[in-house]
Amino acid sequence: DTEVTQTPKHLVMGMTNKKSLKCEQHMGHRAMYWYKQKAKKPPELMFVYSYEKLSINESVPSRFSPECPNSSLLNLHLHALQPEDSALYLCASSQGWGWEKAFFGQGTRLTVV
Amino acid sequence: EDQVTQSPEALRLQEGESSSLNCSYTVSGLRGLFWYRQDPGKGPEFLFTLYSAGEEKEKERLKATLTKKESFLHITAPKPEDSATYLCAVRALTQGGSEKLVFGKGTKLTVNP
Repeated sequence: DTEVTQTPKHLVMGMTNKKSLKCEQHMGHRAMYWYKQKAKKPPELMFVYSYEKLSINESVPSRFSPECPNSSLLNLHLHALQPEDSALYLCASSQGWGWEKAFFGQGTRLTVV
Repeated sequence: EDQVTQSPEALRLQEGESSSLNCSYTVSGLRGLFWYRQDPGKGPEFLFTLYSAGEEKEKERLKATLTKKESFLHITAPKPEDSATYLCAVRALTQGGSEKLVFGKGTKLTVNP
């Protein structure tokens, strides 16, 4: 199993909604990442969890709240988002610290209305 | 400031017409250069990791090379299914001493039959 599974694939939410994005991997990877990707732009790192602890927070607004319940799961809780937060949200994982052979999920296409 | 620059932004090839994509970088202390392939609306797919100048990696029609200042992704006799955006990323140190992956903007490759 070399997959990173993200759900949902698509999400439309209002600016007052609370929603969560989920990411799961069963490769035994100990580092997991959230990226944001706008159209025709490269992915931008948001958060890094290493051994289930938040190790990098790229100054992301507090309306994005990551959570790592265990070594296989990574969530991104969304609250009071803005239309400019609409993007493809990508989860990735890697064996260790350093992005060696990082595997990416298919992403969640988020639209904020 | 760490920078990763990819060229060209877009490239159109005829099937069988070999070419190269370029990724130039300016980072303090290269700790790895990564190539990914990304199809529209999907997460990046890992291709190669290169660590030191002179290193080469191959996979099917793709060959990645690395010098002290840049990396090339050579595509030999491409097929239409090679059409995608190719992303280059560099592992770099942040000011705080942690590591991050810095992505280039990508090269969109279109291979016409």
